[in-house]
Amino acid sequence: NAGVTQTPKFRVLKTGQSMTLLCAQDMNHEYMYWYRQDPGMGLRLIHYSVGEGTTAKGEVPDGYNVSRLKKQNFLLGLESAAPSQTSVYFCASGRGEYGYTFGSGTRLTVV
Amino acid sequence: ILNVEQSPQSLHVQEGDSTNFTCSFPSSNFYALHWYRWETAKSPEALFVMTLNGDEKKKGRISATLNTKEGYSYLYIKGSQPEDSATYLCAFPSGNTGKLIFGQGTTLQVKP
Repeated sequence: NAGVTQTPKFRVLKTGQSMTLLCAQDMNHEYMYWYRQDPGMGLRLIHYSVGEGTTAKGEVPDGYNVSRLKKQNFLLGLESAAPSQTSVYFCASGRGEYGYTFGSGTRLTVV
Repeated sequence: ILNVEQSPQSLHVQEGDSTNFTCSFPSSNFYALHWYRWETAKSPEALFVMTLNGDEKKKGRISATLNTKEGYSYLYIKGSQPEDSATYLCAFPSGNTGKLIFGQGTTLQVKP
């Protein structure tokens, strides 16, 4: 009964380094999302996907790339990390009408 | 552009106080309104899905009401406890895009 699993849970990067965050869901959901959460800013949508092989930009896509090669996985990439990308990242899956299931979050610090 | 507004932004109450907060959303093309509870260092957890005008849902000491005609939902907590301290988010589906539009949340602190 895993639901939505995010890896890693914590990461510290140096400015300019790259990394990929993995989100995996076992609920057969078509829709998946990546959000970032910053103090006082609520949840902001980075990118989302409405099905395997599709991706779309959200509110704050700059500096991030995503891929959805398999239905169950949604990857978020940072090609050249910047301190402004220090945040907590949440993945979610599901359709808005029925509600989302969230992953447990990834705390990323860029120094 | 759909807008979901929550008030107040934050609330500090004493243990045992009852409290309530508001979520305002567009009243046209209503499908559902979601409430989430988000504890610090955890992920948002679904509380209620409200779909019918006049709906009232209850989970222990927490309840929610819905008015789709005027576009608001209230969340009530009766006899607040320190473990109720969290951010409470409401969210509204954005048309047929599958996306949820989240409010900024109401952060509740319950002092023992």
